[in-house]
Amino acid sequence: QQPVQSPQAVILREGEDAVINCSSSKALYSVHWYRQKHGEAPVFLMILLKGGEQKGHEKISASFNEKKQQSSLYLTASQLSYSGTYFCGTDLYNTDKLIFGTGTRLQVFP
Amino acid sequence: DVKVTQSSRYLVKRTGEKVFLECVQDMDHENMFWYRQDPGLGLRLIYFSYDVKMKEKGDIPEGYSVSREKKERFSLILESASTNQTSMYLCASSFIVWGGNGYEQYFGPGTRLTVT
Repeated sequence: QQPVQSPQAVILREGEDAVINCSSSKALYSVHWYRQKHGEAPVFLMILLKGGEQKGHEKISASFNEKKQQSSLYLTASQLSYSGTYFCGTDLYNTDKLIFGTGTRLQVFP
Repeated sequence: DVKVTQSSRYLVKRTGEKVFLECVQDMDHENMFWYRQDPGLGLRLIYFSYDVKMKEKGDIPEGYSVSREKKERFSLILESASTNQTSMYLCASSFIVWGGNGYEQYFGPGTRLTVT
């Protein structure tokens, strides 16, 4: 029941765009996105709720397709600071018990 | 700023030893979690706690136990460490956000445990 993330890795030049996908086989209450920079703790990016609401701290956009139980994270005009591993976490019942995907490693080069 | 601290960044233990990993949060959060992180496997939930003295098993609780005697402290215990428990261990705490529609987890820096 671990969500599937794709791609596993992305290499970009500064200014390029990327999309990271997260797919679940279960009906979801919400999808959470976290970013972990090398050697650091994961940091919350945003939450997407069923019904379309999005909440987050950063200027990152995402979508949640409830019919397909899929979420996509859109990283536009990437910056060097975007480098890291992105994890999606799925919450089935708003219990805060997240099941995380295996991560997508993003590297942005000058 | 929310702070989640873990007792050690690096720990080396021998097979069969009893190991304690400590986690403290300073924001009066109700929920606390222990995860282990392994390459290619992501973050996997070991145990979580919704309140003092309350605990629930996560996805991989075998070989682990936990203790939460005070709200701010959540301990992970390896009763008899084994080499397959060599991993990065991350603690997190969380609170309700967005009018009750979700939670935001804050993670500690992690403890890299090596069992030899």
